[in-house]
Amino acid sequence: SQTIHQWPATLVQPVGSPLSLECTVEGTSNPNLYWYRQAAGRGLQLLFYSVGIGQISSEVPQNLSASRPQDRQFILSSKKLLLSDSGFYLCAWTHRGRRNQPQHFGDGTRLSIL
Amino acid sequence: AQSVTQPDIHITVSEGASLELRCNYSYGATPYLFWYVQSPGQGLQLLLKYFSGDTLVQGIKGFEAEFKRSQSSFNLRKPSVHWSDAAEYFCAVGSYSGGGADGLTFGKGTHLIIQP
Repeated sequence: SQTIHQWPATLVQPVGSPLSLECTVEGTSNPNLYWYRQAAGRGLQLLFYSVGIGQISSEVPQNLSASRPQDRQFILSSKKLLLSDSGFYLCAWTHRGRRNQPQHFGDGTRLSIL
Repeated sequence: AQSVTQPDIHITVSEGASLELRCNYSYGATPYLFWYVQSPGQGLQLLLKYFSGDTLVQGIKGFEAEFKRSQSSFNLRKPSVHWSDAAEYFCAVGSYSGGGADGLTFGKGTHLIIQP
């Protein structure tokens, strides 16, 4: 069966520091991968998605970037964090090439910026 | 562009009572729809999905949802709630972007509180 892992689970960072969140998927090949952010009291906002290694699409221009160095690895980064980057970050995957598929989510990373 | 509205931010239900969570969507084509549940500090778990066919779909944990095209609705129901159902519930509509990935648009969620 497929599993998705995110780490760290919790992170506290000062303003202006860099960020690296990692997501890996096991048990499947060539997945589509997604990063979402969930701010308090809001729904989920799609940040980035990827259909393959090195292929990143950004949905919302911002302080963050994403990379996909390997087929089942998706990384969310920032060079300098802002207070507004605080939130709950979720990674998700779907089967590539199959339309109308649900997305399967990791357990998320709680990011607090001080 | 597609959108999802969950009109109830909070709902309080007594344990053992029935539940209905509302979801309205806006989408230019035939939608595919999902309900997810999120426990505090956790990721999202898929409860059920609708793609086509029978408009009443069954999901996990005793949940069901009914797709009504005329009302653009996809309401979630459960005949008898348990204290463990207390969580945040999200409705989502799927789309197919030209880039080759299916993006989901989420509602803002409904926080379900269970009274003993």
